[in-house]
Amino acid sequence: GQNIDQPTEMTATEGAIVQINCTYQTSGFNGLFWYQQHAGEAPTFLSYNVLDGLEEKGRFSSFLSRSKGYSYLLLKELQMKDSASYLCAVLDSNYQLIWGAGTKLIIKP
Amino acid sequence: ETGVTQTPRHLVMGMTNKKSLKCEQHLGHNAMYWYKQSAKKPLELMFVYSLEERVENNSVPSRFSPECPNSSHLFLHLHTLQPEDSALYLCASSPGGTVTDTQYFGPGTRLTVL
Repeated sequence: GQNIDQPTEMTATEGAIVQINCTYQTSGFNGLFWYQQHAGEAPTFLSYNVLDGLEEKGRFSSFLSRSKGYSYLLLKELQMKDSASYLCAVLDSNYQLIWGAGTKLIIKP
Repeated sequence: ETGVTQTPRHLVMGMTNKKSLKCEQHLGHNAMYWYKQSAKKPLELMFVYSLEERVENNSVPSRFSPECPNSSHLFLHLHTLQPEDSALYLCASSPGGTVTDTQYFGPGTRLTVL
């Protein structure tokens, strides 16, 4: 079967750095998405990785290792507004989007 | 604002009711999607419309019936739902008809079935 694993919940301190991991087992791979979803709001696009390596976009970076079936989202200089759920999703060989259950990130002052 | 709106934002209905969820996108996209999001579970893709034609059904129960009258509007008609259908229903759109495109989500309709 196809599976996306992410931690259910993480807690971090304002101003710190946090890494949210995502591991996947899918039939093929055509890219990995990260979305942010604030409570009661729509998911919003953060990043798309299809090649190995780190992509940086401001305070957020996303890393992919296809050989390990692994990605992480790195958030730096955490702000209270970063409290949200972070969803990992993988495109399989049939271009089906397989979603993880999301990681709820709690930021404390 | 993502350019995708959904109404109503909250809906409470009995199992014998008939209701409809509405989604509208103002982005000029060609594909629209319905997702179901239950607590602590992955997003479940229900329906995909590309250029107003349904391209994916994912074996959704027939008590959910989608309608896409044009590329800007998408409906989800609900009838004789079950309590386990209570969830957040999200609409999304993307520029093209493939999921390699970034999807833009609406705020969702929180549905409670009594």
